[in-house]
Amino acid sequence: NAGVTQTPKFQVLKTGQSMTLQCAQDMNHEYMSWYRQDPGMGLRLIHYSVGAGITDQGEVPNGYNVSRSTTEDFPLRLLSAAPSQTSVYFCASSYSRPQTNTGELFFGEGSRLTVL
Amino acid sequence: GENVEQHPSTLSVQEGDSAVIKCTYSDSASNYFPWYKQELGKRPQLIIDIRSNVGEKKDQRIAVTLNKTAKHFSLHITETQPEDSAVYFCAASPLTGNQFYFGTGTSLTVIP
Repeated sequence: NAGVTQTPKFQVLKTGQSMTLQCAQDMNHEYMSWYRQDPGMGLRLIHYSVGAGITDQGEVPNGYNVSRSTTEDFPLRLLSAAPSQTSVYFCASSYSRPQTNTGELFFGEGSRLTVL
Repeated sequence: GENVEQHPSTLSVQEGDSAVIKCTYSDSASNYFPWYKQELGKRPQLIIDIRSNVGEKKDQRIAVTLNKTAKHFSLHITETQPEDSAVYFCAASPLTGNQFYFGTGTSLTVIP
């Protein structure tokens, strides 16, 4: 059971380049989300999805796009990278609430992105 | 939207002492409050959670308390050990949604 898998683990981009962070989960979770982690800022929600075909914005969505074509995958796209997007990105998934009592978020290992 | 504040940002304690981390939230619709531990270079992992119909929950050396009226909740770690050293995040989430809003984190150092 792999849990939540993120790729790549490390990436260096130049300003203006585009890239996609991949996220896949094998736990049949309805809910998937992307967070960015910056020093002193905690984990901030970028985008989330409550099921295939449904996505919504979180706290800091600007500069990022997402799609959810399958239950398993939730890629995060940076269309034109900026230095302000240098961060560690975490994908996380969980069962939907309140259908289940547990609300535990399962995180991927993180992707460290540097934009020069 | 929800705003979660967490204090202190850093905390150092001697091994064996207790540590307390406090969080406040703003949205009265929030009713689920998990705590995550993140060791250096690792992913956050759930250590304990509490729902709004419960005032306190304990799991061995870890306890969480919730005051819904005041909109604050706290993490208590007793008999701290060096392996407790990590960054701890509180979070709040509404019942009918899965969004989790995190605090800014507390870096706990347990000094042997």
